[in-house]
Amino acid sequence: EVQLVESGGGLVQPGGSLRLSCAASGFTFSSYWMNWVRQAPGKGLEWVANIKQDGSEKKYVDSVKGRFTISRDNAKNSLYLQMNSLRAEDTAVYYCARGVGYRVYYFDYWGQGTLVTVSS
Amino acid sequence: DIVMTQSPDSLAVSLGERATINCKSSQSVLYNSNNKNYLAWYQQKPGQPPKLLIYWASTRESGVPDRFSGSGSGTDFTLTISSLQAEDVAVYYCQQYYDLGSWTFGQGTKVEVK
Repeated sequence: EVQLVESGGGLVQPGGSLRLSCAASGFTFSSYWMNWVRQAPGKGLEWVANIKQDGSEKKYVDSVKGRFTISRDNAKNSLYLQMNSLRAEDTAVYYCARGVGYRVYYFDYWGQGTLVTVSS
Repeated sequence: DIVMTQSPDSLAVSLGERATINCKSSQSVLYNSNNKNYLAWYQQKPGQPPKLLIYWASTRESGVPDRFSGSGSGTDFTLTISSLQAEDVAVYYCQQYYDLGSWTFGQGTKVEVK
C-alpha cells in the first residue's frame, strides 16, 4: 500500500525557516518524480515544487523560487522541502504527492498534509 | 502559465440526479502528436487530501465508480456525476499537465446535496 506521511509543519514567524519531510513507503520511491502541493486555508490547490527521480531536475512555482528548496534521499525514501524567508502567504497545508509519468503528469497518491502557519 | 477556470463555483444537486462541472483552460491542453488531452480531475472531501478521479481527460482511475466520467477536448472539459450519491459531496478540481514546468489547478467546484 502506497503511503506518504508528511511532518515538520508548525507555527513560524515571518522571515523564519521550516523544513518539511515526507516519508514514503509501499512503492519504489526512486522511480518517481515527487511533488509538494499546498492549500491555503479555505482555498484551492497550488503546485509548489517537484524533483526528478535522481534529484537532477527541480522545478518551482515562481512565488517560492529562491526561498524554497526541494530535495530527496532515495536511500531513506524521503522527500524534503526547506522553506526560508517565510511569508504570511505561505500559510497552508503542504501535501506530498507522487507524480505519474516520465515528466510528471498528474498526481496519483497524496499524503494527509502538514500545516504551516506563518504569523507573528 | 495556463489558467484553469471552473464553473460553477458551487452547485447543489438532489440525490440521484446528475451533476456537471465545467473546466476551461486558457490555452489548449491537447497534444497534437499523441491526440491526448493533458487534464486530470480530483475529488477532495472535507479534511482529506485530494483523490485522483480521472486523467487524460476521460480515463477513470482504478477503483473510481463509473458514475464519474470526464469529457471534452482542447480547452473545454466536463466532469459528470451521473447519479449523485451522498458520499460524492466534495470539492472537485481540474488540473492541467500540458505545461510540464507549471502544473495548475482550477479554483474548485463545491458539490452539495440539495
